[in-house]
Amino acid sequence: GQQVMQIPQYQHVQEGEDFTTYCNSSTTLSNIQWYKQRPGGHPVFLIQLVKSGEVKKQKRLTFQFGEAKKNSSLHITATQTTDVGTYFCAGLTGNQFYFGTGTSLTVIP
Amino acid sequence: ETGVTQTPRHLVMGMTNKKSLKCEQHLGHNAMYWYKQSAKKPLELMFVYNFKEQTENNSVPSRFSPECPNSSHLFLHLHTLQPEDSALYLCASSQETGTTYEQYFGPGTRLTVT
Repeated sequence: GQQVMQIPQYQHVQEGEDFTTYCNSSTTLSNIQWYKQRPGGHPVFLIQLVKSGEVKKQKRLTFQFGEAKKNSSLHITATQTTDVGTYFCAGLTGNQFYFGTGTSLTVIP
Repeated sequence: ETGVTQTPRHLVMGMTNKKSLKCEQHLGHNAMYWYKQSAKKPLELMFVYNFKEQTENNSVPSRFSPECPNSSHLFLHLHTLQPEDSALYLCASSQETGTTYEQYFGPGTRLTVT
């Protein structure tokens, strides 16, 4: 069946360091979305990527969709304590989004 | 505030109880979803409704029964649950299913089955 895996599962960084999470699908995706869930909160939509090789930026966050549309990454430059949370990718196959396992980010002040 | 509300926020129930979770969206969306979020597991899609019609049922046990009376309201009826059903149950909505529509999540109901 469809699987969307994310690595790493957990990441601890010093404030100011960079952070990257990777999302890998067993099948080709139509598009991919990224969500952030703060501790005790609910997932909040960040961005959507549709085109092969697409790169989008939101301030310190850079999102990339692989050429084969089977993987994606989220890179945060110079992390801040407000970046703490779990980052999920969600890949669209057919008419359904499959959420990744998530990467939990801890930022040490 | 995302425009999706869920009640109750916390629920403790015994295995023989019957309870219902409620979700309401104020965004004018046509699709609504139930997800289960357990520790160390990905979000599990349970049910999808598009224009009040159920379009997905991902092999969810019959002790979970959804109801969608209109595009703004979604219920999850619970009965004879098991301890492993304890989790955060999230409701979400989107303009329609699939394609380019982002999902807006509610705050969730934290369910504990004793």
